[in-house]
Amino acid sequence: QTVVTQEPSFSVSPGGTVTLTCGLKSGSVSTNFYPSWYQQTPGQAPRTLIYNTNTRSSGVPDRFSGSILGNKAALTITGAQADDESDYYCVLYMGSGVSVFGGGTKVTVL
Amino acid sequence: EVQLLVSGGGLTEPGGSLRLSCGVSGITLNLYAMSWVRQAPGKGLQWVSSISSGGVTYYADSVKGRFTISRDTSKNTVSLQLNSLRAEDTAVYYCASRYGLYFDYWGQGTLVTVSS
Repeated sequence: QTVVTQEPSFSVSPGGTVTLTCGLKSGSVSTNFYPSWYQQTPGQAPRTLIYNTNTRSSGVPDRFSGSILGNKAALTITGAQADDESDYYCVLYMGSGVSVFGGGTKVTVL
Repeated sequence: EVQLLVSGGGLTEPGGSLRLSCGVSGITLNLYAMSWVRQAPGKGLQWVSSISSGGVTYYADSVKGRFTISRDTSKNTVSLQLNSLRAEDTAVYYCASRYGLYFDYWGQGTLVTVSS
């Protein structure tokens, strides 16, 4: 069973920068997994932020960026704002129609 | 504007069945894959099932043999039939579209509760 790993939580100061990562319990993440990132606030449906590693979805501010850092996918928030306080999920495409979510990272802005 | 409207959740006993529907507007199912993603109370998101633009179906191991995804391209709707439900299937179920290998548009969730 594929396990996608994310940090459980992160805290960032307003205006600060935070980088969330998305790894595999066994193996390395590359662009071949087409990593994508989603933001979710409590009680709301997820919102698509980043797809295909580093392409921002329509309307997503450019303070959100995606990349591959080492053997993981990464989501960087530069100049964090209060309304960035959310849960963030990565998804890796494993092939054969199967996608796997990471466990999510809770980001607190304070 | 793309809209996904989910309906059909509710309360059922273990072993019971429910059918979820996702009405789609603004995109064509012949061009888009569609997926169901769920979230158990207080937990993270979990991919459940997808149907490709060509009608090929895929399932997470945890629901294989119990859930069935289908679509009606004439009505632009996608459905998820949930059979042999278990307590661990209790979750908010989201409908999402896929144009590439990612989820792009999301519907609001519908709560499925499996409890005696």
